[in-house]
Parts: sequence; C-alpha cells; structure tokens
Amino acid sequence: NAGVTQTPKFRVLKTGQSMTLLCAQDMNHEYMYWYRQDPGMGLRLIHYSVGEGTTAKGEVPDGYNVSRLKKQNFLLGLESAAPSQTSVYFCASSYLTGAHNEQFFGPGTRLTVL
Amino acid sequence: QQPVQSPQAVILREGEDAVINCSSSKALYSVHWYRQKHGEAPVFLMILLKGGEQKGHDKISASFNEKKQQSSLYLTASQLSYSGTYFCGTERSNNDMRFGAGTRLTVKP
Repeated sequence: NAGVTQTPKFRVLKTGQSMTLLCAQDMNHEYMYWYRQDPGMGLRLIHYSVGEGTTAKGEVPDGYNVSRLKKQNFLLGLESAAPSQTSVYFCASSYLTGAHNEQFFGPGTRLTVL
Repeated sequence: QQPVQSPQAVILREGEDAVINCSSSKALYSVHWYRQKHGEAPVFLMILLKGGEQKGHDKISASFNEKKQQSSLYLTASQLSYSGTYFCGTERSNNDMRFGAGTRLTVKP
C-alpha cells in the first residue's frame, strides 16, 4: 500500500496563477483533510471531507477550494495564488473522524508563490 | 484557539528525560500527539480520549488531565531517534482539530 500520496512535491507559482494539488489514499478511508504548515504555526486545517461528495471548511479556508469526487482522492485548488499562500501543504486521511482516530499524512507539497 | 505547547524547544543528551506540555483554554474531548522529523510528514504517536487516561509507546508516554485541559508527553531515556518536532492536536468537537505550534526536541550523543 502506498498510503497517502501527494502530487506535486514542489511548485512555484506567480501571483494570480491557479493550480490544483492532488491527494490520493489507498486505505479506503472516509475522512480526508488538507492542512497548511507555516514556520512557528504548526498545522492549520484548510478544508476537510467526511466522505465522497462532501466537503467542509476548516480553520483557514479563504482562498482555497476543494473537491472529493472519488473516495480515494481529495483535490485542493488555488484559484488566484497569493504570496501569503506560500507554505507546505499536507494531506491526511483517517478511517473515521480524525478526532478519534490516527491521521495518516502524505509527504507534503512545498508551494512558493512569487 | 490553538493549544499552547511548552517548551518551544529543548536540547537533551542521550539518556535524559523530557516533558512536553500542551494546554488549552477550552474544554477538550481528546488529545493527539504527533512527531515530525525535518522535511517529513507528521507521524502519529498516540491519542488520549478520556480524562485521566495515560498511554505509553516504547519509552514515550502521555497523560491527559481533562479538568486542567492539558496533556503532557513524557520521553524517558531519550534516544537520538527521538529528535524532531512534537505536535499536540486537540479536539473540542467532532472534526474541529487544532494543532499546537510544536516543540522542537534535539537529542545529542
């Protein structure tokens, strides 16, 4: 099993450009999450999904959109990138609610917005 | 609303012990602990679901004081492999997970 994978690993964008980050898991988990990690800030939840076709806002959702068309995939979109979105993005999944179960994290995507 | 971790950083020699604290101003339902090595993804250590619960994993253990809204992670007889940043994650309601800023632990030979 590959676990949680993320594509791409690195990306550099110019302000105003758009992009989509892909997260895939092969553990048949219901819950999936997108976090961003900034120096000294820990992990902050952007959006999450409790099942195929459902999404919900987390702590810092502004400037991002998500979709969960298939159970195994969770996409994070930036419609118009801003320098403040420079960060490391982690995707995670859990069998049931991540509050009561281990979250499995992907390797991360390092995004730089110039 | 994020939990507060202390200390921010700690340096140990192999074999020494350390305690990392995590506290919240809000009532907690559960506490998670994760470890992240530089450039890698966070890795799960343990979850504490009940007040008063204590868990152990090898020489790493944790406690959860529900009344004080805090948790502590205990690292005993530290090894070089314990180096990394430790995060606590706290849940106040379903799916409302908040992570602390992390405690950087360095274990030296």
